[in-house]
Amino acid sequence: AQSVTQPDIHITVSEGASLELRCNYSYGATPYLFWYVQSPGQGLQLLLKYFSGDTLVQGIKGFEAEFKRSQSSFNLRKPSVHWSDAAEYFCAVGWGSGGYQKVTFGIGTKLQVIP
Amino acid sequence: DTAVSQTPKYLVTQMGNDKSIKCEQNLGHDTMYWYKQDSKKFLKIMFSYNNKELIINETVPNRFSPKSPDKAHLNLHINSLELGDSAVYFCASSPELNTEAFFGQGTRLTVV
Repeated sequence: AQSVTQPDIHITVSEGASLELRCNYSYGATPYLFWYVQSPGQGLQLLLKYFSGDTLVQGIKGFEAEFKRSQSSFNLRKPSVHWSDAAEYFCAVGWGSGGYQKVTFGIGTKLQVIP
Repeated sequence: DTAVSQTPKYLVTQMGNDKSIKCEQNLGHDTMYWYKQDSKKFLKIMFSYNNKELIINETVPNRFSPKSPDKAHLNLHINSLELGDSAVYFCASSPELNTEAFFGQGTRLTVV
């Protein structure tokens, strides 16, 4: 069955440090891949997406993600974290074909940024 | 202008009541969704509509009934509310199925 795994429920980093949030998926073909961010009390906002082409994708707010087919991974990175990046991050996978397609979300990783 | 707007933002109601949540998008998208986010932040698709037609109906109790009067609106009606229905409900839209979604601010439903 298709699944999305975010192995880290909670991550704490210092402001200015680099960040990597992990995401693995289980699906027989190459899915569509997304990262979303949710600030407290808000809806989700798309950071970046991968459909095809260059496996390193750039997103908003200085984030990037790399699709690695061999590892079934789509990890999110940022070279220098800002305090405003503290939020919940969700990896999502779109799968299916024809008339049936859906997007499945991971359980989220809560990012805490300390001064 | 808000791209995806849902009302109300907060809803507190007693068990057994019937309530509706409204959603409107002004992005011209063909596809709209309802998601439920539980207290652990787990986000699960409930329904997907494409061009006003129901595409995905996950294992949701039939007390939940979506209604799409036109492509810009997808409302969620819930009958006989139960305590377990307490959650944040998000409406979203996307240009097509499986593409990036734009989310509303959410409706926090509390059943007492």
